[in-house]
Amino acid sequence: GAGVSQSPSNKVTEKGKDVELRCDPISGHTALYWYRQRLGQGLEFLIYFQGNSAPDKSGLPSDRFSAERTGESVSTLTIQRTQQEDSAVYLCASSVNGQGPYEQYFGPGTRLTVT
Amino acid sequence: DAKTTQPNSMESNEEEPVHLPCNHSTISGTDYIHWYRQLPSQGPEYVIHGLTSNVNNRMASLAIAEDRKSSTLILHRATLRDAAVYYCILRSLQGAQKLVFGQGTRLTINP
Repeated sequence: GAGVSQSPSNKVTEKGKDVELRCDPISGHTALYWYRQRLGQGLEFLIYFQGNSAPDKSGLPSDRFSAERTGESVSTLTIQRTQQEDSAVYLCASSVNGQGPYEQYFGPGTRLTVT
Repeated sequence: DAKTTQPNSMESNEEEPVHLPCNHSTISGTDYIHWYRQLPSQGPEYVIHGLTSNVNNRMASLAIAEDRKSSTLILHRATLRDAAVYYCILRSLQGAQKLVFGQGTRLTINP
C-alpha cells in the first residue's frame, strides 16, 4: 500500500519568505508527527497530532513555526519569515495510534534550503 | 526521556553477523526499546522493538539484558544495504509519544 508521502521533495526559498510543507499520512493512521533533521544531525521532534486531541507542540522552535492537520488526514507545516537556520530536511511520520508502542512510518522528507 | 548511549560508528564485513550495542541504564519499567535505522538520503525506518523478552523479526533480532539496562540489535548476515545509521530509542507508554533520536551508530559494511 501507499506509504507516507511529502511534498515538495525540495524547496529553495529566500530568507524572509513563508513556506508550506505537506504530509499525506498512511490511510487510517491516527497519529502524525513532524521532525526536523539538520545536516549531519539527528532528528528533532517538532509536533505530534493524535486524532482530535490537542496537538503536542512542545518541539516547535519558535512562533514562526505552526502546523495543522485536517481530521486524520493531510497535515501542513508552515514556517513564516524563514531564516537560514531553518534549512533542514523536514520529515513526517504516521502511526496507527500514538497511544502505544506502535512503529512510526516516515516519509522521504522535504529538503528546505533558505538562501 | 531516558537516555541511550551507542558507539558513534561500527564496521563489519558483508555476510557476517553484526551486534550493535545500546546502553540505557536509566530505563524505567514502562519504557519500550525501539530501534530505527536511516539509510543515506532516506527517512528513518522501523527495525524492531521489545520490552523485556528477546524479539525476532525478518530484519533483525533484539537481545535485551535481564536487568534491561542494555540491549543489542543483531543483524544475522549483513549486506551492503544494511549500511545506515542505527538509532536505539526508549519510548515510554506514559507521556509524549514522540521519538527522541540521539546520534546513533553509523554502520559501515565492507564488501
